[in-house]
Amino acid sequence: DTEVTQTPKHLVMGMTNKKSLKCEQHMGHRAMYWYKQKAKKPPELMFVYSYEKLSINESVPSRFSPECPNSSLLNLHLHALQPEDSALYLCASSQDRQGVNSNQPQHFGDGTRLSIL
Amino acid sequence: SQQGEEDPQALSIQEGENATMNCSYKTSINNLQWYRQNSGRGLVHLILIRSNEREKHSGRLRVTLDTSKKSSSLLITASRAADTASYFCATNDKYNTDKLIFGTGTRLQVFP
Repeated sequence: DTEVTQTPKHLVMGMTNKKSLKCEQHMGHRAMYWYKQKAKKPPELMFVYSYEKLSINESVPSRFSPECPNSSLLNLHLHALQPEDSALYLCASSQDRQGVNSNQPQHFGDGTRLSIL
Repeated sequence: SQQGEEDPQALSIQEGENATMNCSYKTSINNLQWYRQNSGRGLVHLILIRSNEREKHSGRLRVTLDTSKKSSSLLITASRAADTASYFCATNDKYNTDKLIFGTGTRLQVFP
């Protein structure tokens, strides 16, 4: 069992749908991350939140919209996605963002497997 | 690309054998981490080695770091079928410290 919980585990959506991915952690971590992972590839960073503020956006298309309502929750709002956006979306958290304390691990959820029809 | 390279891409061994995987990276780093990912699951942190350390142990895991060669290795001794997973190294760039940059990964299969 992981300490970072992601819902839903699987999501199938059409290109015109709007959906949201959710991530929750109760470890008191102040940094949270979204990653995208294609099959047999490493995770690619999308966004970093630190103290509920967006600190990194890795030039992600605007059809992905992150939100951090509070220190325990991280959402990823999806709209008008493309078939190439099908992937495993991973959420992670760490005590602080890497730039404050780089010598700390990230804790990952089990991801949401997203399929775009 | 800043992405690190790992080799081998895939490794198949019998239970009880040792597994060694290697990671090379491109930039100056604060630390290097190793993660395991079971099929369909998230990543699990295994071990972190700082740039001023050369070797670190954790249970059956041994990690080495050679900053002059920009390389690291992960050794799993006495492997078990449960060690079957993908293994990724990740570096924390010294000058862009908010990011973890993952290597390409090694897929390890341990046969009982």
